[in-house]
Amino acid sequence: AQSVTQLDSQVPVFEEAPVELRCNYSSSVSVYLFWYVQYPNQGLQLLLKYLSGSTLVKGINGFEAEFNKSQTSFHLRKPSVHISDTAEYFCAVTDAGGTSYGKLTFGQGTILTVHP
Amino acid sequence: DGGITQSPKYLFRKEGQNVTLSCEQNLNHDAMYWYRQDPGQGLRLIYYSQIVNDFQKGDIAEGYSVSREKKESFPLTVTSAQKNPTAFYLCAITTGTGHNGYTFGSGTRLTVV
Repeated sequence: AQSVTQLDSQVPVFEEAPVELRCNYSSSVSVYLFWYVQYPNQGLQLLLKYLSGSTLVKGINGFEAEFNKSQTSFHLRKPSVHISDTAEYFCAVTDAGGTSYGKLTFGQGTILTVHP
Repeated sequence: DGGITQSPKYLFRKEGQNVTLSCEQNLNHDAMYWYRQDPGQGLRLIYYSQIVNDFQKGDIAEGYSVSREKKESFPLTVTSAQKNPTAFYLCAITTGTGHNGYTFGSGTRLTVV
């Protein structure tokens, strides 16, 4: 089984500042990792995913994440945030071998608030 | 919603009533999932289905039931046995073994009145 811990429940930041949302995972097998964004009263939208290969993954809206196997982390970063990035962000994991039948395990979420 | 539709968007239920949430998809994906979202708790898996006429319990299945009679439909019934049903419910679909991630519906907010 896998687990995910998002280390910050809320992250306030000023517009145009850089931001990092932290995610650690636990698994005894190889994993696929995902970041999702959720705007109020909406479903989740995929930002980016790590399957294999390059540990730096680029996604939509200028976000990127780095997979660190030794630290079991998958932190999300953006060099300059906008007001429109205000949302809740979820890190998720599934096992790469398919034994979880595609089930994703989600972290508790991080609310990013961008202030003008 | 990219081919996945949840309805209704808002639902109010009296205590003791069963209610059914709809999830329909036209992307021909095999796997469908129901998650419950509560503030500060992330998403918790209720039920999932990999194939028609088959489904499996997730982590919090008590008080819920599902059916998968058609590939495109995976309705969730919240029964009167669910003691704390007020939550945001999300349906998701995917292909293969999950490497594509999920496509989510827009959710149903259920409130017990």
